[in-house]
Amino acid sequence: DIQMTQSPSSLSASVGDRVTMTCRASKSITKYINWYQHKPGKAPKLLIYTASSLQSGVPTRFSGSGSGTDFTLTISNLQPEDFATYYCQQSHSTLSLSFGGGTKVEIK
Amino acid sequence: EVQLVESGGGLVKPGGSLRLSCAASGFTFSNAGMSWVRQAPGKGLEWLGRIKKKTDGGTTDYAAPVKGRFTISRDDSKKTLYLQMNNLKTDDTAVYYCTTVSVGVASGDLMFSSWGQGTLVTVSS
Repeated sequence: DIQMTQSPSSLSASVGDRVTMTCRASKSITKYINWYQHKPGKAPKLLIYTASSLQSGVPTRFSGSGSGTDFTLTISNLQPEDFATYYCQQSHSTLSLSFGGGTKVEIK
Repeated sequence: EVQLVESGGGLVKPGGSLRLSCAASGFTFSNAGMSWVRQAPGKGLEWLGRIKKKTDGGTTDYAAPVKGRFTISRDDSKKTLYLQMNNLKTDDTAVYYCTTVSVGVASGDLMFSSWGQGTLVTVSS
């Protein structure tokens, strides 16, 4: 199975900051990684698919990059509604899909 | 607008069974692959399994922790997805989400595009 490791597990930031979080796969997943935003009590939301494609309706301050084993989700100009937990998910192994442990973005 | 509404959660004793339902609307359910994901208290998201649309064979795949205990099925006439959970353990306590699965041309081009609000399952004596 492919393990997904996210770092940091949490971070504190202020409105207007540029925030970067990473996800590392235990083996190459080429470009097959997706990113989700999850707020408490809400349905998770797809933000980025296949490493860098922005899901329809998602603000352009969200961007993704990377390939192989190392990937990054960046939020430029952090907004109050962006405080949430972010998960990466690999889809390279379609018989055994898996998520990272999450990065919680908190208000500084 | 895509809507997914889970139901059937509740309190069940260890070793018991429960069936969750997910009612879909706002899209052509029979044309969609579907999946179940859960989140245990204080933990991250965990993929449980998926079912393909019938034109892709309608086959299922499961994560190792639930294989043999959980069964995913669908009723396209009712636009409903199911998760039958047997031999439940305390570790199965979680919020259970159903999701649509969008796939592209390439094998790995797969994502959980829409999610329900979830239903809580508590396994406790």
